[in-house]
Amino acid sequence: AQSVAQPEDQVNVAEGNPLTVKCTYSVSGNPYLFWYVQYPNRGLQFLLKYITGDNLVKGSYGFEAEFNKSQTSFHLKKPSALVSDSALYFCAVTWANQAGTALIFGKGTTLSVSS
Amino acid sequence: GAVVSQHPSWVICKSGTSVKIECRSLDFQATTMFWYRQFPKQSLMLMATSNEGSKATYEQGVEKDKFLINHASLTLSTLTVTSAHPEDSSFYICSALPGEITEAFFGQGTRLTVV
Repeated sequence: AQSVAQPEDQVNVAEGNPLTVKCTYSVSGNPYLFWYVQYPNRGLQFLLKYITGDNLVKGSYGFEAEFNKSQTSFHLKKPSALVSDSALYFCAVTWANQAGTALIFGKGTTLSVSS
Repeated sequence: GAVVSQHPSWVICKSGTSVKIECRSLDFQATTMFWYRQFPKQSLMLMATSNEGSKATYEQGVEKDKFLINHASLTLSTLTVTSAHPEDSSFYICSALPGEITEAFFGQGTRLTVV
């Protein structure tokens, strides 16, 4: 079955330090990969995506992610964390199937950045 | 980016009544729309996928007679929670995909409380 895994429920980093939020996937075919961020009682905001091309993709708010096909991973990174980055982060995968388009999410990782 | 408007943002209803939630893509045509349910501090649980003009595809365990989804046009999908009960209280989020596979755009969510 297709799946997305975020192995960490929570990631804690100090402001100014680099951060990594992990994501691995298991999808047959050619998946498209995404990261979204969610603030309390809000919908999801798109951060970045990998469709094809360069394995390192840059997105909003200084975030970037590296697609690694051999490890089936798409980890989210930022060189220097801000307190305002504290939020819930979701990795997502989209692919085309017989029913149309499928979109599933990892369970989410809470990022907490301390000052 | 594209805008998806979800209405209402929050609603309180009495047990046994029905509630309709609307999801509109404001500046693009959404071939596919998704409805999710989110419990506190948890991931998004896909309820159903709807394609314009066809019946929604429900995920296993989601009662299609209770959660009625209509995707009548390329810019509007509705979720009706029929005969709501307190256990239906949750945060419901819709998302929409343009015709091509790209990032999904999310509504701001609806907080449903059934009393």
